[in-house]
Amino acid sequence: DAKTTQPNSMESNEEEPVHLPCNHSTISGTDYIHWYRQLPSQGPEYVIHGLTSNVNNRMASLAIAEDRKSSTLILHRATLRDAAVYYCIRSMEYGNKLVFGAGTILRVKS
Amino acid sequence: DGGITQSPKYLFRKEGQNVTLSCEQNLNHDAMYWYRQDPGQGLRLIYYSQIVNDFQKGDIAEGYSVSREKKESFPLTVTSAQKNPTAFYLCASSERRGGSYNEQFFGPGTRLTVL
Repeated sequence: DAKTTQPNSMESNEEEPVHLPCNHSTISGTDYIHWYRQLPSQGPEYVIHGLTSNVNNRMASLAIAEDRKSSTLILHRATLRDAAVYYCIRSMEYGNKLVFGAGTILRVKS
Repeated sequence: DGGITQSPKYLFRKEGQNVTLSCEQNLNHDAMYWYRQDPGQGLRLIYYSQIVNDFQKGDIAEGYSVSREKKESFPLTVTSAQKNPTAFYLCASSERRGGSYNEQFFGPGTRLTVL
């Protein structure tokens, strides 16, 4: 199965770091790991992606395990605007096919 | 502003009618995609196109058809053969760089309800 495994939901306090885990034990060597997030009734928004090394951008950090069977999305300081469904996605065919799972609902408390 | 537009935002149709959903992008992206999302679930790929006049079936193509006559346009037709067409439909595009495709940019979606 190409889908990844994520917790159904997580909760965080505002201004605290959030670590969103993802398992992708069947990933192949050329598949990237992408993270997107989606607000209700909107299209998903790209967050970050990586292949083997840890990645950082203005939105988040992505830590990929050495065996590539799992990864963690890190939001350094959660805000109320970060409340969304977060999808950990295995991209296939050199990024041309994204296989979405059900995602993790992140709730942020003030 | 560059981006992806989908129209209309809400669409109602009677059962048995074909309906076409519009998707336009002015990002000059090579690839375009159509996804379907049902309540509480992730997105599922319907069709995708990497170049004009060419497209491939995704995971749930039955009951749908597409065309790619122009780089900026990728309309999706939901036919009467689609048994459960009520859903949220999302269009996306991405740019090919160095032999691989990077992040996909999504449109705002069209919510189709079949009565």
